[in-house]
Amino acid sequence: DAGITQSPRHKVTETGTPVTLRCHQTENHRYMYWYRQDPGHGLRLIHYSYGVKDTDKGEVSDGYSVSRSKTEDFLLTLESATSSQTSVYFCAISKGTGGSYGYTFGSGTRLTVV
Amino acid sequence: TQLLEQSPQFLSIQEGENLTVYCNSSSVFSSLQWYRQEPGEGPVLLVTVVTGGEVKKLKRLTFQFGDARKDSSLHITAAQPGDTGLYRCSNRDNYGQNFVFGPGTRLSVLP
Repeated sequence: DAGITQSPRHKVTETGTPVTLRCHQTENHRYMYWYRQDPGHGLRLIHYSYGVKDTDKGEVSDGYSVSRSKTEDFLLTLESATSSQTSVYFCAISKGTGGSYGYTFGSGTRLTVV
Repeated sequence: TQLLEQSPQFLSIQEGENLTVYCNSSSVFSSLQWYRQEPGEGPVLLVTVVTGGEVKKLKRLTFQFGDARKDSSLHITAAQPGDTGLYRCSNRDNYGQNFVFGPGTRLSVLP
């Protein structure tokens, strides 16, 4: 869907290097989220944002930081990549937090740390 | 954190068969979403159910929310290969801020 795009789609990086993943939305939604998806663990929340410069930690935030300087962009940074951070990363957006609102997901970034 | 259970974990059927997958929790859902995810893509929202006993239909898919809002089912009639994918249920966490997801049912519909 054109409303949310993630870049890059695939990345291979070396252990110890910093990596930044980008999520860009054109829906002007207030809420943005980063999840990681791993076999046996499903989808786990890393960080989320409820507005520009307003972010908070999720379930598995250690080793990750985020920034949101504009409504449309939410960046996820792996400060020093480790092999345990090899995963598929999904960005999601939501118009609100009420019970009737669901997520729109991006297509994901497959990150391999070697 | 509210835990969601889904069953079955895997399901492989022939085209044209009917099937039902389930989502349940020990806690009451405030609302429940169903998503379908295809390989290499992100989950896509299918439906949101909010009211106990609610039934929603999306073409050949029927979603039901339990009266006590602790369980939900997804029934597919006359399954087609295009229905193949990972079906996850999801609901708001205890703080109402974010979603938690079930482990999913991986459906394979064979032609």
